[in-house]
Parts: sequence; C-alpha cells; structure tokens
Amino acid sequence: DGGITQSPKYLFRKEGQNVTLSCEQNLNHDAMYWYRQDPGQGLRLIYYSQIVNDFQKGDIAEGYSVSREKKESFPLTVTSAQKNPTAFYLCASSIRDSYRGEAFFGQGTRLTVV
Amino acid sequence: QQQVKQSPQSLIVQKGGISIINCAYENTAFDYFPWYQQFPGKGPALLIAIRPDVSEKKEGRFTISFNKSAKQFSLHIMDSQPGDSATYFCAASGSSGSARQLTFGSGTQLTVLP
Repeated sequence: DGGITQSPKYLFRKEGQNVTLSCEQNLNHDAMYWYRQDPGQGLRLIYYSQIVNDFQKGDIAEGYSVSREKKESFPLTVTSAQKNPTAFYLCASSIRDSYRGEAFFGQGTRLTVV
Repeated sequence: QQQVKQSPQSLIVQKGGISIINCAYENTAFDYFPWYQQFPGKGPALLIAIRPDVSEKKEGRFTISFNKSAKQFSLHIMDSQPGDSATYFCAASGSSGSARQLTFGSGTQLTVLP
C-alpha cells in the first residue's frame, strides 16, 4: 500500500534531549513537509523540502532541524532549543509544491515533554 | 498576508442538518483552496478543493462556495451525519513566492448529534 509512515506514534522527551521523528513515503513524491499541530492553532509549517538534499524553513523552524538524504525519507529532529515541543507532529508529501494538488499526510507523532 | 481565518471554532448540528464552515484570506496570490478532514489521532485527509475559476464545487454532500471578490470560501455539508464528526481545516496556497506552501486555518471541530 502506498502512503506515508510516521514513527513512533507516541514519543516522550526529557528536558534537554534531542529527539528524531521519522517520516517515510513510498508515493514517489518530490515534496515533503513537517507541520506542528496545537489545539486551536491549525497546522503550522516547520520545514519543507522540494528535492533531495534541499530544504527550506517554514513559519516556525526555530528549534527544529531536518535532512533529506533520500527521496523517501524526511526525518525531523526536535532539539533542546525548542522550548515548547509538546505537540502533534504531522508529516506530509505531495507531487510537487502543495499548490499543485493534494498533500498526503501521515498518522502523526504525539510528542510529550516529561 | 499569509493568514487564513476560519470560523466557527466549533459547531454542533443535528443529524440531517446543514453544517457551514467559513474561511477568509488576505493573500491575493492564493489560487488553490482545499478542505481537509481530520479524525482524532489521525492525519488530515483531503476532502474537496476548488480553484478560483469557479464559484462552486460539489462532491456528494460536500460543497465549496467561493467568493473571489470578498476573498472568502466556505464548506457546506448537507444532510450531516454522525460519521462527519471531525475537525475540518480550510487551507490556501498559490503559485508564487511564499504562497507556494499550504497555509491552514485554525480548524473547526464539528459534532453531529444522532
């Protein structure tokens, strides 16, 4: 089945730790995205990538980092510099830029700071 | 310029009723307006989308109405069913500059009572 797989589904982070969220897609999409979802705030763009080895900051990139070494993979690292990381994180992909058509989302990772 | 404003934040309707969710945008570079449906603990999925060359698009019980001059668009769910209970997000994107990535509204939590 084609789709986007995010792992883990739940993640707990201690203060000061870096954690990495995984996102893999087998849709052969060029573009991939990371969004953060908080209650009442919709989805906010963290980073996006339109091609391998290239990525751009979104609206709330501070405290996050990404890499795009393979077309299928776009991991997100939440660093200790992110002061309020507790949120629901969503990965998405699309054929090209999302304005051209549908963005497909993964099932999300819920990150909690303990 | 990037903001998409969505209302209401929550909506309760009776089974068989009409659900109406409204969105407004500022950036005239937007030319793609999708609606996404999200169930609890899941990623959003595309429900229906419209481009500004038409004023209305209907797919089954779901209709998007688009008013380009007012920079507003809305989702109408006819004959609402309990299975429609979910969070709905409007979004917008365009073909130029910073508008190329999807900007989401803050979401509407819809509850359809049996």
